[in-house]
Amino acid sequence: NAGVTQTPKFRVLKTGQSMTLLCAQDMNHEYMYWYRQDPGMGLRLIHYSVGEGTTAKGEVPDGYNVSRLKKQNFLLGLESAAPSQTSVYFCASNKLTDLNQPQHFGDGTRLSIL
Amino acid sequence: RKEVEQDPGPFNVPEGATVAFNCTYSNSASQSFFWYRQDCRKEPKLLMSVYSSGNEDGRFTAQLNRASQYISLLIRDSKLSDSATYLCVVPFSSNTGKLIFGQGTTLQVKP
Repeated sequence: NAGVTQTPKFRVLKTGQSMTLLCAQDMNHEYMYWYRQDPGMGLRLIHYSVGEGTTAKGEVPDGYNVSRLKKQNFLLGLESAAPSQTSVYFCASNKLTDLNQPQHFGDGTRLSIL
Repeated sequence: RKEVEQDPGPFNVPEGATVAFNCTYSNSASQSFFWYRQDCRKEPKLLMSVYSSGNEDGRFTAQLNRASQYISLLIRDSKLSDSATYLCVVPFSSNTGKLIFGQGTTLQVKP
């Protein structure tokens, strides 16, 4: 049981390049989340999904797009990377019936934009 | 008032000390609360859940004061391995499972 898996774990991009971060969970969770974490700050929610085919904006959605075509996968896209998007990105998931329970986290993607 | 606010520290304590962190939250409707531990910006890992007035697990005690809207985490007999950042987490919405994270309190336990 792998839990929540994020790929890639590290990436360096040039300004203006695009890329997609993949989050996969094998726990049959309905809810999935993308966060970013910057130095001295807590995790901030970028986008989230409450089920296959649905997505919603979080606290800091600008510059990102997401898709949830399959229940187990939640993709985070950067269309035109900017240095301000240099951060550590965490994906998390949760089960519909356990929303008062803690979320399950992937081990993060460290992204640097030059 | 920030939705979730923590003293960022750092708290520098000697081994064996008792240390307490406080966290205040603004959403009076929140029913459950969490303390997560995070090492060197690795993924957050759940330390304790708090659903009623408090919870105790070994050297760790979490207490909830709903009237004053704060949660505390007490660590007794600190170990070097307790050095980490402790995140206070409060649910934002019971429909979406959205969580609000505090900025974290850094603890450094020294020999």
